Amino acid sequence: QPQLQESGPGLVRPSETLSLTCTVSGDSISSSTYQWGWIRQSPGKGLEWIGNMFYSGSTYYNPSLQSRVTISVDTSKNQFSLEVASVTAADTAIYFCARNCGGDCYFDYWGQGTLVTVSS
Amino acid sequence: SYVLTQPPSVSAAPGKTARITCGGENIARKHVHWYQLKPGQAPVLVISYDSDRRPGIPERVSGSNSGNTATLTISRVEAGDEADYFCQVWDSGSDRWVFGGGTKLTVL
Repeated sequence: QPQLQESGPGLVRPSETLSLTCTVSGDSISSSTYQWGWIRQSPGKGLEWIGNMFYSGSTYYNPSLQSRVTISVDTSKNQFSLEVASVTAADTAIYFCARNCGGDCYFDYWGQGTLVTVSS
Repeated sequence: SYVLTQPPSVSAAPGKTARITCGGENIARKHVHWYQLKPGQAPVLVISYDSDRRPGIPERVSGSNSGNTATLTISRVEAGDEADYFCQVWDSGSDRWVFGGGTKLTVL
C-alpha cells in the first residue's frame, strides 16, 4: 500500500510563501488511476480541501484558495508539492497530502500531516 | 457552496452505540465518505460510498445515507474508537470536495 510523507518548514512568516513536499512510496504518482491532493486542518476546525493534481501534472483547486495556491509534480522523485502565496495567520494549519481516485471518490491514503505556523 | 453539518461532539460508554450524523441538503443524492482522525496519525478512511466498510475496519462500524442526513454508526464502542470523525462529499455545483466540521467521539 502507498505511503505518503509531508515535509517542509514548520514556520513561515506572514506575506511569504508556504512550500511543502509530499513524497510517495509504494505507488507511482505517474499512474493514471489516481489523483494526488492536499488538505489542511486549521486549529480547532474542520478539514479543507486545497487542490488536486492529475498524473499528467494538470491541477484544479478549491475556488476559495485558487488565487494563492500552486500544486506541482516531480515525477523523477515521485513527489508533488504545494505552494501557498501571501500567507497570513489564517493559513496556520496541519497540512496533509493524500491519494484520491477522482470524481466523487474518496481520499484513501494520507500522510501523517505537518504543522505549519504562520508567524513573525 | 454545499455545506455539511456535524455535531461538535458525541459521547458513548464502552459497549454502547455511537451515532455521528452529517447533515446536508439532499445528501442522499451524494456519495458520503467518512474518516477517522487521531492526533499525530494519518487520517483513516473508514466508510466509502455511504456504507462500504473499508478493509480492516471492524464490522461494528457502519454507514447509512438517507434524505438530508448521513450517519456513521459505531456499535460496541471501545476506547480505541475515541477520535475525530469527518464526513466528506464531492460538490459538483462548486467543483470541490467538501468536509464536515468534524465530530469528536468521546468514550466515557
